[in-house]
Amino acid sequence: DAKTTQPPSMDCAEGRAANLPCNHSTISGNEYVYWYRQIHSQGPQYIIHGLKNNETNEMASLIITEDRKSSTLILPHATLRDTAVYYCIVRAFGNQFYFGTGTSLTVIP
Amino acid sequence: NAGVTQTPKFQVLKTGQSMTLQCAQDMNHEYMSWYRQDPGMGLRLIHYSVGAGITDQGEVPNGYNVSRSTTEDFPLRLLSAAPSQTSVYFCASSLGVGGSRGAFFGQGTRLTVV
Repeated sequence: DAKTTQPPSMDCAEGRAANLPCNHSTISGNEYVYWYRQIHSQGPQYIIHGLKNNETNEMASLIITEDRKSSTLILPHATLRDTAVYYCIVRAFGNQFYFGTGTSLTVIP
Repeated sequence: NAGVTQTPKFQVLKTGQSMTLQCAQDMNHEYMSWYRQDPGMGLRLIHYSVGAGITDQGEVPNGYNVSRSTTEDFPLRLLSAAPSQTSVYFCASSLGVGGSRGAFFGQGTRLTVV
């Protein structure tokens, strides 16, 4: 599975949109982009995933560039409870999930 | 429907002791896996299973054994604990090909080896 690159940390003001970038320049055509988050030391929580098209669910939106070499996770109205480490993972269906070190997002009151 | 259940939540071992970390899921998922997370780091894959009777190694398998006799259970065994195995251990399960939501994780087992 392709490797991903994320900034180690980001801040976001409460109520504003949090935009978390991820670079996956070596992604293959059959690989999906997944986002997970880990609050404190709990088990990681699934957020969203996509292949080519932009995706939205009740938690977030995922924007994937046309060349699929990068993506952005958008939390539209960040709250203090969104403070967590966010992991971007590229994975082909049927393969395992390999986690990097993620982005530590701090939502500031 | 409890999801993924890990026991125990906390454990202290002496060097050289053995123990088994339990993981059970009630979602009829084919895939199960074990990760460890050291302070300030991401999760690293230890072992995984794509179905009952089938297991394989991940990134950091040394010092750990697994078996998968049923779909529901995937225990992780430490045969001779070492201080380097002090970590938080997470079990995960997911559907195989066609599973869209990815992996569901347990709440972790915090292991200290002294």
